[in-house]
Amino acid sequence: DSGVTQTPKHLITATGQRVTLRCSPRSGDLSVYWYQQSLDQGLQFLIQYYNGEERAKGNILERFSAQQFPDLHSELNLSSLELGDSALYFCASSVGSGGAIDEQFFGPGTRLTVL
Amino acid sequence: GQQLNQSPQSMFIQEGEDVSMNCTSSSIFNTWLWYKQEPGEGPVLLIALYKAGELTSNGRLTAQFGITRKDSFLNISASIPSDVGIYFCAGQLPLDSGYALNFGKGTSLLVTP
Repeated sequence: DSGVTQTPKHLITATGQRVTLRCSPRSGDLSVYWYQQSLDQGLQFLIQYYNGEERAKGNILERFSAQQFPDLHSELNLSSLELGDSALYFCASSVGSGGAIDEQFFGPGTRLTVL
Repeated sequence: GQQLNQSPQSMFIQEGEDVSMNCTSSSIFNTWLWYKQEPGEGPVLLIALYKAGELTSNGRLTAQFGITRKDSFLNISASIPSDVGIYFCAGQLPLDSGYALNFGKGTSLLVTP
């Protein structure tokens, strides 16, 4: 158990819908990272928040957005869902703002299925 | 993100055998990391490498950061059934003011007793 929690564990929805994935970081961690894992693309970095502010952006679509709240939990919002958005979405957290020795701890993931 | 080429894609071995997997990139990375992912769980960090040429061990696992900073390998000695899982390499480089992890596609390891 990494100490990072994600809800829900599974999510099934239809194309065109909007969903929200939630992540609670480990106690004391200030950074939250979101990753998407699909069979064809592998694990892809989406976005990082540090202490409530966006820190780094990766391959995140404009239909996706995220935020980190004052209690440091984070939400990833996915809208206008397409079949290709079906994937595992992981949240990770770290103590600092990111860097060589700032280890990221991964949550168990949310499996999103878009029908 | 930067493309990491990880090989082999899968391995099917007998308990007690040694395993070797590697990762190459066209880009230079500041840090190389190796993760293991088991079904239903997120990746767990096994070994982190911070310097070109560095060789680091963690129990039966040994990993090296290539001299060119564009490659890394992971060896597992005397494999056991609980080594089963998907092993990912990841390279880290600065992305604007943060740091992003670029992952390989993974090596799926199956170990038979």
